[in-house]
Amino acid sequence: DAKTTQPNSMESNEEEPVHLPCNHSTISGTDYIHWYRQLPSQGPEYVIHGLTSNVNNRMASLAIAEDRKSSTLILHRATLRDAAVYYCQAGGTSYGKLTFGQGTILTVHP
Amino acid sequence: DGGITQSPKYLFRKEGQNVTLSCEQNLNHDAMYWYRQDPGQGLRLIYYSQIVNDFQKGDIAEGYSVSREKKESFPLTVTSAQKNPTAFYLCASRTSGNSYEQYFGPGTRLTVT
Repeated sequence: DAKTTQPNSMESNEEEPVHLPCNHSTISGTDYIHWYRQLPSQGPEYVIHGLTSNVNNRMASLAIAEDRKSSTLILHRATLRDAAVYYCQAGGTSYGKLTFGQGTILTVHP
Repeated sequence: DGGITQSPKYLFRKEGQNVTLSCEQNLNHDAMYWYRQDPGQGLRLIYYSQIVNDFQKGDIAEGYSVSREKKESFPLTVTSAQKNPTAFYLCASRTSGNSYEQYFGPGTRLTVT
């Protein structure tokens, strides 16, 4: 699995877009990029994933660099409920080892 | 409802005692994982299992042991050899294939005094 690097923290105002970056320079060609978020004292929950193309779902968008060495999670209009720790994960060929980095603490101001 | 259950939510033990944390899933997932989380830190992989009767060490396996006798169950034993066992423990599972996401349980907070 690939090591991931994320900023320790980011801040946003409510209803503004948020771009959360992640570097995964050692990603292999078959590794997917997954994003999760975690609220205090809870297990992480899945947000979005992708391989090469940009992806959209009801929660967020995922922009993947052409060389796949980085990706950006986009929350189009942050809400107070989006305040959480966001983790990106790159790896998991078949059933393989899946690790997490330190994550980014997102603070959303009203 | 399908999901992952971890029990108990809070667990207290005295130093020197082994303790086993339960993790059960009814999602028919092949792969299961144990992570440890310390305050303000990310998740660190303890053990993972790809199929029944097979498991591999993660990054911090020392002082821990696991078994995978059934597809649905992946219990974690924190032994007395683990020097700092107090932490939040998370279990996860995933179906086969690179594209699939992990599903996490609610976690067990272990306190050893």
